[in-house]
Amino acid sequence: DTEVTQTPKHLVMGMTNKKSLKCEQHMGHRAMYWYKQKAKKPPELMFVYSYEKLSINESVPSRFSPECPNSSLLNLHLHALQPEDSALYLCASSQSQGARGWTGELFFGEGSRLTVL
Amino acid sequence: GEDVEQSLFLSVREGDSSVINCTYTDSSSTYLYWYKQEPGAGLQLLTYIFSNMDMKQDQRLTVLLNKKDKHLSLRIADTQTGDSAIYFCAERKGASGGSYIPTFGRGTSLIVHP
Repeated sequence: DTEVTQTPKHLVMGMTNKKSLKCEQHMGHRAMYWYKQKAKKPPELMFVYSYEKLSINESVPSRFSPECPNSSLLNLHLHALQPEDSALYLCASSQSQGARGWTGELFFGEGSRLTVL
Repeated sequence: GEDVEQSLFLSVREGDSSVINCTYTDSSSTYLYWYKQEPGAGLQLLTYIFSNMDMKQDQRLTVLLNKKDKHLSLRIADTQTGDSAIYFCAERKGASGGSYIPTFGRGTSLIVHP
């Protein structure tokens, strides 16, 4: 199983709503990532979890709240978002550096397309 | 993406070769990657090259690395319409807490005409 599964695929929410994006992988990867991608732009790193602990927060506004309940799951909780937060949110996972056969490859999900009205 | 630069568009005819170029800035980069993103989808790793290699070939794909000029290229032989996508160059830029943090270029949109 080399898949990263993200749900929902599409989400429309108002600025006062609270919603969550979910990501799951069963490859035994211990590093998981959230990226934000606007149209015609590269993915921008938001958060990195390593061994279920938040290791990097790229100065993301607090209206985005990540959570890693276990080694297979990664959530992104959304609250009081702005229209400019509309984007494709990509989850990725990778082996931790030092693992046998490490190549640094990121395995991406298909993304959750978020629209904030 | 300012540390990794790519041209934004490339248009080729089906059957021709495509060459996508990338320049990077971190001379300590040990791994360099090419990812492909089809419309509405996530990114998928196409190939990677270690910094101690000059060239890597994988079926229709050839990666050339010029470390002196910090230049990376991806050649796709016999380009097909299914190769139409955005191609991102990425360099590994150090690690933190055991995590690999790639820096992506802005992506090159490859358009293949029948």
